[in-house]
Amino acid sequence: LAKTTQPISMDSYEGQEVNITCSHNNIATNDYITWYQQFPSQGPRFIIQGYKTKVTNEVASLFIPADRKSSTLSLPRVSLSDTAVYYCLVGDGGFQKLVFGTGTRLLVSP
Amino acid sequence: KAGVTQTPRYLIKTRGQQVTLSCSPISGHRSVSWYQQTPGQGLQFLFEYFSETQRNKGNFPGRFSGRQFSNSRSEMNVSTLELGDSALYLCASSLDRNSPLHFGNGTRLTVT
Repeated sequence: LAKTTQPISMDSYEGQEVNITCSHNNIATNDYITWYQQFPSQGPRFIIQGYKTKVTNEVASLFIPADRKSSTLSLPRVSLSDTAVYYCLVGDGGFQKLVFGTGTRLLVSP
Repeated sequence: KAGVTQTPRYLIKTRGQQVTLSCSPISGHRSVSWYQQTPGQGLQFLFEYFSETQRNKGNFPGRFSGRQFSNSRSEMNVSTLELGDSALYLCASSLDRNSPLHFGNGTRLTVT
């Protein structure tokens, strides 16, 4: 199983850039890396997905080094509404291998 | 496009009863998966259905079962409820194996 390790919590202020790193030492060749955001009493929401190097969309960037044993989610200029739990998920679509880690609780303050 | 819809949003049951939860995936998504989320165990995979067939199964007892209909809608059933089954049950749909999961807002089940 591609186990992931993330910091339990992070604090930031509005307008700052936040980088959340996920370790996945035993990632397999076919595995993709996907990040989700979850608010209380809601289902996780897809943020970004990547396989290698860098991926950017309208809300975030995902950096994946050459060895793919870690990945970093970058949130530019966070706002209070970015306060949530962020999950890193590694898998190849084989659902038995999907393991959600404990997630990172991000708190954004004014 | 409508998102993943789960009903009901809240349920209260007593031990020993059974419960059925419903999930309507995003139109065109044929893969539906179910997850249990608790404060202690986090998000855990239950099972996945694709074209009415259970394709993958997590490590849960046989009291947890599901099915998928021809229109891709899915139901999850839990029999002989236990206190420990209290959780947020999430359903997700996806287009194919490597596509992102799209989650519903879940059904909050409380077993008393």
